[in-house]
Amino acid sequence: GAVVSQHPSRVICKSGTSVKIECRSLDFQATTMFWYRQFPKKSLMLMATSNEGSKATYEQGVEKDKFLINHASLTLSTLTVTSAHPEDSSFYICSARRGLTNTEAFFGQGTRLTVV
Amino acid sequence: SQKIEQNSEALNIQEGKTATLTCNYTNYSPAYLQWYRQDPGRGPVFLLLIRENEKEKRKERLKVTFDTTLKQSLFHITASQPADSATYLCALDPNGNNRLAFGKGNQVVVIP
Repeated sequence: GAVVSQHPSRVICKSGTSVKIECRSLDFQATTMFWYRQFPKKSLMLMATSNEGSKATYEQGVEKDKFLINHASLTLSTLTVTSAHPEDSSFYICSARRGLTNTEAFFGQGTRLTVV
Repeated sequence: SQKIEQNSEALNIQEGKTATLTCNYTNYSPAYLQWYRQDPGRGPVFLLLIRENEKEKRKERLKVTFDTTLKQSLFHITASQPADSATYLCALDPNGNNRLAFGKGNQVVVIP
């Protein structure tokens, strides 16, 4: 199966700072990647769709200025949580689609963000 | 409103038995439905995908059914093993573009 790598797996940051999370497709090119957030005992919630070479598409209620997404290459998308607050503490997970037709999603291992 | 419902109570099952999980959805017309496994602190891992024109799909000890009339999918793990203990997520892909909507997941605990 295809491999998606996410880094870092855990990060602790101070309130007001920014944190960057990387999502890489290691053995395939991904024109589209997706960012999700998961709170404890809750379902994964889609935050945004990251498109290579163009602006990300954000889901309703997700602040695009707070969660900056950059998809500069076919193998890398980054999510930057700006001016982080404790309520941004969550589990962030990316996924990538390998082809243009519908296939399964390949997920990264997730990033546990704790804002103190 | 749109909903994807999975049983919030953990399913405790004896090793060797069949575990059956349910996913019910409302106000969706999905072209595909997928099942994922998620272990604590990890990202989901794809298990099975079933299309709207398919009634049943199998993969090794896993079986998925999809009833678009009932708006329900059943997920079966036969001959369950302790290593099958995890949370299983139901996900809908209404538009076939991988913008997935997930249920909360149903935890399975296989008792040796």
